[in-house]
Amino acid sequence: GENVEQHPSTLSVQEGDSAVIKCTYSDSASNYFPWYKQELGKRPQLIIDIRSNVGEKKDQRIAVTLNKTAKHFSLHITETQPEDSAVYFCAAQFTGTASKLTFGTGTRLQVTL
Amino acid sequence: DSGVTQTPKHLITATGQRVTLRCSPRSGDLSVYWYQQSLDQGLQFLIQYYNGEERAKGNILERFSAQQFPDLHSELNLSSLELGDSALYFCASSVGAVSNQPQHFGDGTRLSIL
Repeated sequence: GENVEQHPSTLSVQEGDSAVIKCTYSDSASNYFPWYKQELGKRPQLIIDIRSNVGEKKDQRIAVTLNKTAKHFSLHITETQPEDSAVYFCAAQFTGTASKLTFGTGTRLQVTL
Repeated sequence: DSGVTQTPKHLITATGQRVTLRCSPRSGDLSVYWYQQSLDQGLQFLIQYYNGEERAKGNILERFSAQQFPDLHSELNLSSLELGDSALYFCASSVGAVSNQPQHFGDGTRLSIL
């Protein structure tokens, strides 16, 4: 079955620094990889996603890279700000008749002043 | 605001009881997904419905059931509740049933079993 591993589980960076979160997935047929940001007590919020036919995607300070050969993808946040502090989840979706998401275990990002 | 509406926001009940969680998808979305988020299990997929029909099942207990109605809202029924069922239950929706489509989450229902 589908499995997604996410590292690190916690990450502390200083404001203005970059943060990188990495995920690996087990099913080579996975073709859609979203990232969600979840603030305490709130819903997971989609911040960026990437499809398997693309190697990199950027949206302002956020970028995601995908290496299909190695079956891993990463989230990059540049110029971090205190409001970036949250738990970030990666997910993978298997190509098929169903479109459930399999989530990583989350990374708690703390941006300090 | 994601456009996905979940009610109620909070539920407090006792072991052995039965509850119903409700979800209205975003306008135009035909797929509804239910996820459970607990401290030790992370976000776990429970079940997916597309246009009224069950599409996929995940780690959903037999005590749990769901359905999607003609107006596309969905209900998740949890029965014979146990302490371990305490969790955040999220509903998400997407346009279609296939992959590559973003899923947008509602604000969740926090279920507390006493």
